[in-house]
Amino acid sequence: GAVVSQHPSWVICKSGTSVKIECRSLDFQATTMFWYRQFPKQSLMLMATSNEGSKATYEQGVEKDKFLINHASLTLSTLTVTSAHPEDSSFYICSASIFGNTIYFGEGSWLTVV
Amino acid sequence: DAKTTQPTSMDCAEGRAANLPCNHSTISGNEYVYWYRQIHSQGPQYIIHGLKNNETNEMASLIITEDRKSSTLILPHATLRDTAVYYCIVRVHMEYGNKLVFGAGTILRVKS
Repeated sequence: GAVVSQHPSWVICKSGTSVKIECRSLDFQATTMFWYRQFPKQSLMLMATSNEGSKATYEQGVEKDKFLINHASLTLSTLTVTSAHPEDSSFYICSASIFGNTIYFGEGSWLTVV
Repeated sequence: DAKTTQPTSMDCAEGRAANLPCNHSTISGNEYVYWYRQIHSQGPQYIIHGLKNNETNEMASLIITEDRKSSTLILPHATLRDTAVYYCIVRVHMEYGNKLVFGAGTILRVKS
């Protein structure tokens, strides 16, 4: 299947700082990318949908100024957690698809805010 | 969004078929049913999807009822490595793209 890669796999940052997570589609051009977060023993929660070259569409309750999403090219989307706090510590997962075809997921990125 | 209902957990003996049910009674005519699984601390893995007809691939089979209100994922010969959380999802079509909204899923435990 198609490969979606995330970087970094895990990151520790200090409270108040910002951290960026990258999501790349390695062998296809993704028209749409999605960002999820997952807390321990819970399901994945969709945060936002981003289409290349346009602003991301955020799910209800997700702060767009705190979770900045950029989808600058057909193979790269980034999620920046701004002014991170310990409650932002979570497993962040991206996924990508081509025009409504099968959606493939990255390996996920663990964020710990201390 | 079309909602899915799955049992919280299931056990299956190694080597036997694992049948995972899913109800999606509010599904619309053009919405696909997708199945993913997630092994601890990894991203979800695509298994199979379908619209109306039954589907089979190298991993599993998907049986969709004629009224499309429910489906069953079948792992024909479960192994210990199939222990995971299995998610049945109705893909939601939005003007800005299709999206997958995850429910709670079924914890499948394959036991030797």
